[in-house]
Amino acid sequence: DTGVSQNPRHKITKRGQNVTFRCDPISEHNRLYWYRQTLGQGPEFLTYFQNEAQLEKSRLLSDRFSAERPKGSFSTLEIQRTEQGDSAMYLCASSLLMVNTEAFFGQGTRLTVV
Amino acid sequence: GENVEQHPSTLSVQEGDSAVIKCTYSDSASNYFPWYKQELGKGPQLIIDIRSNVGEKKDQRIAVTLNKTAKHFSLHITETQPEDSAVYFCAATPSNQFYFGTGTSLTVIP
Repeated sequence: DTGVSQNPRHKITKRGQNVTFRCDPISEHNRLYWYRQTLGQGPEFLTYFQNEAQLEKSRLLSDRFSAERPKGSFSTLEIQRTEQGDSAMYLCASSLLMVNTEAFFGQGTRLTVV
Repeated sequence: GENVEQHPSTLSVQEGDSAVIKCTYSDSASNYFPWYKQELGKGPQLIIDIRSNVGEKKDQRIAVTLNKTAKHFSLHITETQPEDSAVYFCAATPSNQFYFGTGTSLTVIP
């Protein structure tokens, strides 16, 4: 499978716990994006990487959130001290390093904080 | 930042009829406009896109039009089929991120 891969697909955690999600982009894609989607809404931008550099972060990305892409390949998104409001679908997308190019999404990780 | 509005939020059509979804954007710097289809429990799937130097693009039963002066773009699906039922999102990109509309839930009635 050469698409964007996200793991796990589903995560249920207790409030206050830390969670980490992984995204494996399409292999030749330099750009990697993280988005959050709540029910009935469109995806909201969280952050993006160009190779290993994190170039932009949304105001939505509080200090409890951290993302890494250490070798410019896979990326992780960690949420510390989870809150019920963090419950959402976390989507990863990747694209080539060109202007106005297609971004391809993974299947997402559904987080439920109880 | 960019603001993308999408209408309608829900749309029901009879199989074989056409469906039209409309979006407007606010940032004149936006120059790339993809459309995504999202089925329940899955990630968004790119179905068609248009760049600002083009007014219309067609791919089989799907077409997209762009009016840069009015800052609006539309998705047209002809000869709809039940498998077209899904949530459709438009997006606009003025920089390095995608700004999405709130989605249109399309139901094609057999």
